[in-house]
Amino acid sequence: DTAVSQTPKYLVTQMGNDKSIKCEQNLGHDTMYWYKQDSKKFLKIMFSYNNKELIINETVPNRFSPKSPDKAHLNLHINSLELGDSAVYFCASSHSTGNTEAFFGQGTRLTVV
Amino acid sequence: DAKTTQPPSMDCAEGRAANLPCNHSTISGNEYVYWYRQIHSQGPQYIIHGLKNNETNEMASLIITEDRKSSTLILPHATLRDTAVYYCIVRVASNNDMRFGAGTRLTVKP
Repeated sequence: DTAVSQTPKYLVTQMGNDKSIKCEQNLGHDTMYWYKQDSKKFLKIMFSYNNKELIINETVPNRFSPKSPDKAHLNLHINSLELGDSAVYFCASSHSTGNTEAFFGQGTRLTVV
Repeated sequence: DAKTTQPPSMDCAEGRAANLPCNHSTISGNEYVYWYRQIHSQGPQYIIHGLKNNETNEMASLIITEDRKSSTLILPHATLRDTAVYYCIVRVASNNDMRFGAGTRLTVKP
């Protein structure tokens, strides 16, 4: 029943590793987002996809590569993890027209050691 | 990046109305005002949005000034569970660009 689900909820990994975070929404939305919330609690948009097309790509290192296999999924792959990547990552989805309220996942807490 | 300014923190007594202000003096004619909140470390939760008319739903009321340069989110009877960071965002409804500012940390006290 979860509208926007992310896996895993917690991820602890070593520097230099490659990891992925998965996101799925069952709301029939056509737009999905990834946000990063760092230790200072600022919520920053990273990517936005509409109908599997990349719409927004903020100044995110190209070690971060989003992949949208279909409208219901937006996965985030991170190469060569660095200490500064430690944060909580939130996935969200919304319609692009009409009622455009966004629904967020519960977050993935990534810790790079 | 955010186009809004909010006070960093506010307190409210339990059972009283919480009035959270937001300034958006550069808002464009087709931009809506959205409010979200984030309780502890959960994902942000949508509260309400409006264009120029005041809006009310089961969670809150949104009052937008006539010139649309500011708005106020009203939680009519705040409870301890309303303690959260509240974010005011302006965006074009069809735009996929949804940027959060620092928000207001509301603490509801017994």
